[in-house]
Amino acid sequence: AQKVTQAQTEISVVEKEDVTLDCVYETRDTTYYLFWYKQPPSGELVFLIRRNSFDEQNEISGRYSWNFQKSTSSFNFTITASQVVDSAVYFCALSEAVGGFKTIFGAGTRLFVKA
Amino acid sequence: SQTIHQWPATLVQPVGSPLSLECTVEGTSNPNLYWYRQAAGRGLQLLFYSVGIGQISSEVPQNLSASRPQDRQFILSSKKLLLSDSGFYLCAWSTGVRGNTEAFFGQGTRLTVV
Repeated sequence: AQKVTQAQTEISVVEKEDVTLDCVYETRDTTYYLFWYKQPPSGELVFLIRRNSFDEQNEISGRYSWNFQKSTSSFNFTITASQVVDSAVYFCALSEAVGGFKTIFGAGTRLFVKA
Repeated sequence: SQTIHQWPATLVQPVGSPLSLECTVEGTSNPNLYWYRQAAGRGLQLLFYSVGIGQISSEVPQNLSASRPQDRQFILSSKKLLLSDSGFYLCAWSTGVRGNTEAFFGQGTRLTVV
């Protein structure tokens, strides 16, 4: 069965600090897709990144970077030099090729960035 | 470009009253459509998804139902609301098959059942 665990419920950092959001997943499928979404206070989820199970290459986009490690079933998200605008709830999600359209979300990590 | 509209933004309804939340997508054809619910401080729970007109899959047994009367319209309904139906409801769409594409979300409806 699919499962996504975001063990960090809340994280509080001071602006300009680096912060890593953890995501651990479980799946029996060999083909699957991992996602990160950001939910700002307005409520709408915003897509950040998608990774498929065959692509373990890490990715960097500006201050954001993602570390995908199949050996530990983790897909961690790092924000470098955090800013107040990064304050939001971040969700990790998983969908399986076999499962089709069912995407499972983690419980989310609420990030507070203080000025 | 594609856009998704969801309304109303907030709703306060008495227990036992009916519910109808509407979601429409523009700029794409034959999207996959989803209804999620987010309880306070918790993750997203998939309630329904639809891959075409009249095709609805339910993920959890509940007091809610969904319909897709048109290609880009997705409606969430209830005949009699319960207190436990309170939450933040999000509509989303995606393309592709086999879960390999990201979803795009509406702005959500905050439902409070009193």
